[in-house]
Amino acid sequence: QQQVKQSPQSLIVQKGGISIINCAYENTAFDYFPWYQQFPGKGPALLIAIRPDVSEKKEGRFTISFNKSAKQFSLHIMDSQPGDSATYFCAASTKGGKLIFGQGTELSVKP
Amino acid sequence: DAGVTQSPTHLIKTRGQHVTLRCSPISGHKSVSWYQQVLGQGPQFIFQYYEKEERGRGNFPDRFSARQFPNYSSELNVNALLLGDSALYLCASSMRSAGEQYFGPGTRLTVT
Repeated sequence: QQQVKQSPQSLIVQKGGISIINCAYENTAFDYFPWYQQFPGKGPALLIAIRPDVSEKKEGRFTISFNKSAKQFSLHIMDSQPGDSATYFCAASTKGGKLIFGQGTELSVKP
Repeated sequence: DAGVTQSPTHLIKTRGQHVTLRCSPISGHKSVSWYQQVLGQGPQFIFQYYEKEERGRGNFPDRFSARQFPNYSSELNVNALLLGDSALYLCASSMRSAGEQYFGPGTRLTVT
């Protein structure tokens, strides 16, 4: 019940296209859902996060869509660029702060 | 402002040895969490400390221990190293025990 399931495992998108990564969870006590971007050899960088009282949050080219009833949330990257090529992790936490991460999605944006 | 810093960057140890990893949080942040990231997987939670007290522990053996100092920096200690302990060890800091977590660059530990 503590798991966060992420899909797809890998994704190839053309430059200018939309990248979509999906996550699902079971624990209804989760109340914070961040997305992290990680480049090889680097630590994860916080991209955008959402709480379950809103259904969508947008920051620049990045949008989180949240469906509380389906216990699913997704990351949309608009106008994807080669510089967006990285591994993306969704995560979830309860008020305690411990982050439970998905398995990661390796995104490759082709020029 | 400096982000989360970790030392050392890389470390090679032999099975059975112990290791100490260090982390300095972002200035003003009082909570530090440690995660283990095995190649190809998402980070796994090890410990969280807030105001020098342990606030959470993940499913790791007692060989793993940590502490937080009065200046909010933290150490992660691993005893009796196993080959399976080879991983990227990440430190994350946040202002409070529950809040946005910002990760450092990690320490790459290789156990031979």
